[in-house]
Amino acid sequence: GAGVSQSPSNKVTEKGKDVELRCDPISGHTALYWYRQRLGQGLEFLIYFQGNSAPDKSGLPSDRFSAERTGESVSTLTIQRTQQEDSAVYLCASSLVGGVGGPYEQYFGPGTRLTVT
Amino acid sequence: AQTVTQSQPEMSVQEAETVTLSCTYDTSESDYYLFWYKQPPSRQMILVIRQEAYKQQNATENRFSVNFQKAAKSFSLKISDSQLGDAAMYFCALGGGADGLTFGKGTHLIIQP
Repeated sequence: GAGVSQSPSNKVTEKGKDVELRCDPISGHTALYWYRQRLGQGLEFLIYFQGNSAPDKSGLPSDRFSAERTGESVSTLTIQRTQQEDSAVYLCASSLVGGVGGPYEQYFGPGTRLTVT
Repeated sequence: AQTVTQSQPEMSVQEAETVTLSCTYDTSESDYYLFWYKQPPSRQMILVIRQEAYKQQNATENRFSVNFQKAAKSFSLKISDSQLGDAAMYFCALGGGADGLTFGKGTHLIIQP
């Protein structure tokens, strides 16, 4: 079956523009996560969706960042008025059930590399 | 707050040899899980091995095994019979709350042929 997919693979945008990043989770996975990975760094948790519950937005770095998810399918991460420090790889992951770290494995997508010029 | 520390930015090992990657962590949770993920240049994060904190027995997956020291909050990864395909960034991660996983900064593993 298909894994987690993300689009676009790469995105270059000018400072101040808005961008939308898309994640298609594995079918049937109720939990979806967004992470940010800056160059040479580990992954930084951004936001978590579990079914139809209100998302856990505790990791969003500023109010310029928002995310939506339609039911248990596609999610979009939106960054408004992009800044150069937003340049990073944005990774999406899904799992059968969310919450604590396991025992449900998080399956990651290939990420979107965002470059803000 | 949870933290994960990987003190080795880079490690190098000869093909067929054994290498150990270090990881220490801190959490106030009593029930948590620890993971090692591999990230090759393709950026795809791949789960290598998983350990439940309540289990005393160290997890093993083929050539990959962990040394889990709960009291010391240490979780090292041992790769035996290293292969060229093992070359990648390796991330230690901790899951114990509802905030996704907490990752270390990673160790770049180089395999010398």
